[in-house]
Amino acid sequence: DGGITQSPKYLFRKEGQNVTLSCEQNLNHDAMYWYRQDPGQGLRLIYYSQIVNDFQKGDIAEGYSVSREKKESFPLTVTSAQKNPTAFYLCASTQIYLTGHEQFFGPGTRLTVL
Amino acid sequence: GQQVMQIPQYQHVQEGEDFTTYCNSSTTLSNIQWYKQRPGGHPVFLIQLVKSGEVKKQKRLTFQFGEAKKNSSLHITATQTTDVGTYFCAGRSNFGNEKLTFGTGTRLTIIP
Repeated sequence: DGGITQSPKYLFRKEGQNVTLSCEQNLNHDAMYWYRQDPGQGLRLIYYSQIVNDFQKGDIAEGYSVSREKKESFPLTVTSAQKNPTAFYLCASTQIYLTGHEQFFGPGTRLTVL
Repeated sequence: GQQVMQIPQYQHVQEGEDFTTYCNSSTTLSNIQWYKQRPGGHPVFLIQLVKSGEVKKQKRLTFQFGEAKKNSSLHITATQTTDVGTYFCAGRSNFGNEKLTFGTGTRLTIIP
């Protein structure tokens, strides 16, 4: 089955701790994205990567970091510098050179910082 | 930066009534996409519009892209309980730029 996996589904952390969210895709997609979703605010772009070993900041990158060492993987680290990290985090991917350019989303990770 | 707004934020309709959500961008878009997110789920792609004035239909759903390529709408005819969810538009400002800006979403609930 092709798709995007995110783990874990639910994550609890204490304030001040860094936490890394996993995102893996086996769709052979070039581009990958991280979004944050808060109630009533839609999806906000944190970081995106169009190619291995390269990534760009999105609209709300402060307090987050990413890496893209492999085409299949795009982990997101929520650092202690992120002031309000509790949210629903969604990873997505797309194949740039297809005409549809639709984004495929993973099931998401719901992070709660206590 | 680019902003994409949607109205209304919430819509409650009786089953069988029609529903429309509107999307407005602060800048001209190269294309616009629509996604549906079921409660507790993740967004799923519905359609992409590229041409000025384009209209596309998917069964009871009708999508429009404005002439100026700054606004779009989604209309659902005769809503059903399966239509429940949040509908997002997402715009891309330049071809070759893979960054999408998502709208704020319209949450649709159906009264049986």
